Amino acid sequence: GAVVSQHPSRVICKSGTSVKIECRSLDFQATTMFWYRQFPKQSLMLMATSNEGSKATYEQGVEKDKFLINHASLTLSTLTVTSAHPEDSSFYICSARDRDSISHYGYTFGSGTRLTVV
Amino acid sequence: QQQVKQSPQSLIVQKGGISIINCAYENTAFDYFPWYQQFPGKGPALLIAIRPDVSEKKEGRFTISFNKSAKQFSLHIMDSQPGDSATYFCAASWGNTPLVFGKGTRLSVIA
Repeated sequence: GAVVSQHPSRVICKSGTSVKIECRSLDFQATTMFWYRQFPKQSLMLMATSNEGSKATYEQGVEKDKFLINHASLTLSTLTVTSAHPEDSSFYICSARDRDSISHYGYTFGSGTRLTVV
Repeated sequence: QQQVKQSPQSLIVQKGGISIINCAYENTAFDYFPWYQQFPGKGPALLIAIRPDVSEKKEGRFTISFNKSAKQFSLHIMDSQPGDSATYFCAASWGNTPLVFGKGTRLSVIA
């Protein structure tokens, strides 16, 4: 089945630094990738939607300049948390949609990245 | 505005029992209704999904019941096992839109 590889699984960074999270579709081409944020014991909250080769669409309240999303190829999307602060500490999860999926069963999730800003 | 309402928030079931989680939606454009299982520190994994043209779908111990007129769908886990203890999310989408998730149900199956 479709696999989405997300790295790193855990990262600890100092306040003020930037962190990049990668999301790769391993055996399919992802026309669309979604980035979610999840706080402890809460649901997934959509941060942004990115389509290959175009600018990401951010959800209301998500700072575009803080959460930079790049979807330069059909198999790779990156989320960069710039000038991270402790309040950015969270679990970030990507999801990729299979371009060739003939059904909605094309949503595949990565394993998530636990970001801790100290 | 929460588009998918999920209940209960938490659920404790005896081993071998039936776990039932319910979701309700408002957007009639939704045409895809998946359930995800998430273990701590992991991403959500697709459990089972249904489209509105069927009223029920069964895969192993997991069954989705769908009521289009009531705009409700539910997950039934038969013969619940301790290994089923996890957080379950219902979701919905239509077209190429992103999934909208319910708030989640923490299931604990006790022996």
